[in-house]
Order: sequence, then C-alpha cells, then structure tokens
Amino acid sequence: AQSVTQPDIHITVSEGASLELRCNYSYGATPYLFWYVQSPGQGLQLLLKYFSGDTLVQGIKGFEAEFKRSQSSFNLRKPSVHWSDAAEYFCAVGAGGTSYGKLTFGQGTILTVHP
Amino acid sequence: GAVVSQHPSWVICKSGTSVKIECRSLDFQATTMFWYRQFPKQSLMLMATSNEGSKATYEQGVEKDKFLINHASLTLSTLTVTSAHPEDSSFYICSAREASGFTDTQYFGPGTRLTVL
Repeated sequence: AQSVTQPDIHITVSEGASLELRCNYSYGATPYLFWYVQSPGQGLQLLLKYFSGDTLVQGIKGFEAEFKRSQSSFNLRKPSVHWSDAAEYFCAVGAGGTSYGKLTFGQGTILTVHP
Repeated sequence: GAVVSQHPSWVICKSGTSVKIECRSLDFQATTMFWYRQFPKQSLMLMATSNEGSKATYEQGVEKDKFLINHASLTLSTLTVTSAHPEDSSFYICSAREASGFTDTQYFGPGTRLTVL
C-alpha cells in the first residue's frame, strides 16, 4: 500500500528565511508526486507535481521540489519565505492512467512565518 | 484556473438526519470526481471515486450505504451522509478531474464542514 510521511507537523520560520518541508513516500511503482497548500476557507491549491523527467520541479509561488528515488523523498523548498506562505502543506502520492486523482496524502505540515 | 465549488460550506445537523453535499465543476466537465474526508489536524483520506453515469467506487472501510454518492452530470457530484452521527462530523472535500486532449488536472473544492449534534 502506498503511504506518505511528513515528519514535521509544525515548522516556524522567519520571513525571508529559507524553507524545506520534508516528504517521504512509499509506493510500489513510479509515483506521481504532488505538493498542495491549504489555507483556511480555500481549496487545496497545487504547488507543483512530478510525473517523470527532470527530478527538480519548479512550481508556483517560488516553490520547488526535488524527487530523490534513492531516498523515497520529495522535499519542498523555497529560498525566501513570505508571510503569505503561512498555511498547511500537504505532500501526496498517486498513480497515473485511470487511477489518476486517487491520492494518498501525508499528515500535513503547518507553516508559521514570523515577521 | 478551473474552479470547483462545494455547497454548503458548513452544515450542522441533528443525529439521525441526512445531509447532502454538492460538488460542482464550474467551468469544465469532470468525468471523475473524488470525495475526501479530513479529520481535525489530520490528513485527507480518499473515500470514493465518482464517475459520471456509473456507480461510485468506495475505498476500503468506507460504508457505501452511509455515504451515498451520485454523479448525475459532468459538472455535479453529490455526497449524502445518511443517518448522520457525531462520529461523521468532519471536513469533506471533493475534487474534480479535468481530462482532455490538452490537460489532465485535478482541482479541489473548498470543503464542507459537517457537524452532527
């Protein structure tokens, strides 16, 4: 069975500091990997996704993530955090084809940004 | 980007009653919609996959008689929580898959908060 682990429940950073959110997955085949952000009252917004190809993926809002198959990881990074980045972040894994959209999510990481 | 709406955004009901939640894709046709459930401070768990014009496929452990899903059109799926009990209180989130010759993307709705008294 597939699973996703986000080891950090809550992370606090200062505005302007760099950020890395960790994500480890377990999946039997080549995974489809996603990072979503959830803000109160908002739907989950896709930050970026990885299906194949270049293992460094660029997303929206200045985020990037790197797929490391050997470590079963897909960590999310941002070089300089803005106060508006405060939200909850979810890593997810899924499959393609007819199963596309059936996602397994991690527990989420709440990001707090200090001014 | 594409928008998915849910209605209502929050609902409070008495134990034993049924509650219907709507999920609509506003500017695209969604052949597939998904229903997730999110407990407080926990992750989203996939409940079921809904395909237009066919029966929903439920994940293991989800009671299909309690959580009735109807995907009547390419833009609307409904989740009915039947005979709701306090343990059904949760945040229900739908998503819709837009799959065409140019894109295959999933969009999430804002969620519906259900509280059963």
